[in-house]
Amino acid sequence: DTEVTQTPKHLVMGMTNKKSLKCEQHMGHRAMYWYKQKAKKPPELMFVYSYEKLSINESVPSRFSPECPNSSLLNLHLHALQPEDSALYLCASSQQLGRTYGYTFGSGTRLTVV
Amino acid sequence: DQQVKQNSPSLSVQEGRISILNCDYTNSMFDYFLWYKKYPAEGPTFLISISSIKDKNEDGRFTVFLNKSAKHLSLHIVPSQPGDSAVYFCAAIETSGSRLTFGEGTQLTVNP
Repeated sequence: DTEVTQTPKHLVMGMTNKKSLKCEQHMGHRAMYWYKQKAKKPPELMFVYSYEKLSINESVPSRFSPECPNSSLLNLHLHALQPEDSALYLCASSQQLGRTYGYTFGSGTRLTVV
Repeated sequence: DQQVKQNSPSLSVQEGRISILNCDYTNSMFDYFLWYKKYPAEGPTFLISISSIKDKNEDGRFTVFLNKSAKHLSLHIVPSQPGDSAVYFCAAIETSGSRLTFGEGTQLTVNP
């Protein structure tokens, strides 16, 4: 298995809703990442987990709450989002932190906040 | 502050010709560089990478050149094929390896 699987592929949520995005990999990778990509912009790093511990939080608002319950799974819990949070949310993993370890990206979750 | 820049938002080439995509960076701590290809509604797919200790890396039709003194790299695709039409992102990693920073992407269109 050489994939990063993200669910759901599409999500529409209201500003008062609570929802979660899920990311799963079975490649034995110990580093996992959340990126956010707005239209016609590059992916921007949100969070980095290494060995199930939060390593980097790029000053992301608290309405985004990451969770890494085990080495294969990464969640992003969403609460009280704003319309400007609508974007493609990408999950990625790598064998470990380190520049020569390749990142594998999932296909993303297209989030629309209404 | 955009640390990785791709100044050409789009590039159009004929099938069979060479495509050259350019990327500049400003952060001297970057020492590993990657190119990703992205189709709509999909995640980026890794294409090719280069370490700062090299000036060229080749993989099939794809070659990446790095000019460290100019903080510039380029991706050459030859021959270009219609299936290469996608957005190409240049990305860079610092020595610590914890952040992958992307450029803004170049939309490549290869015309049959």
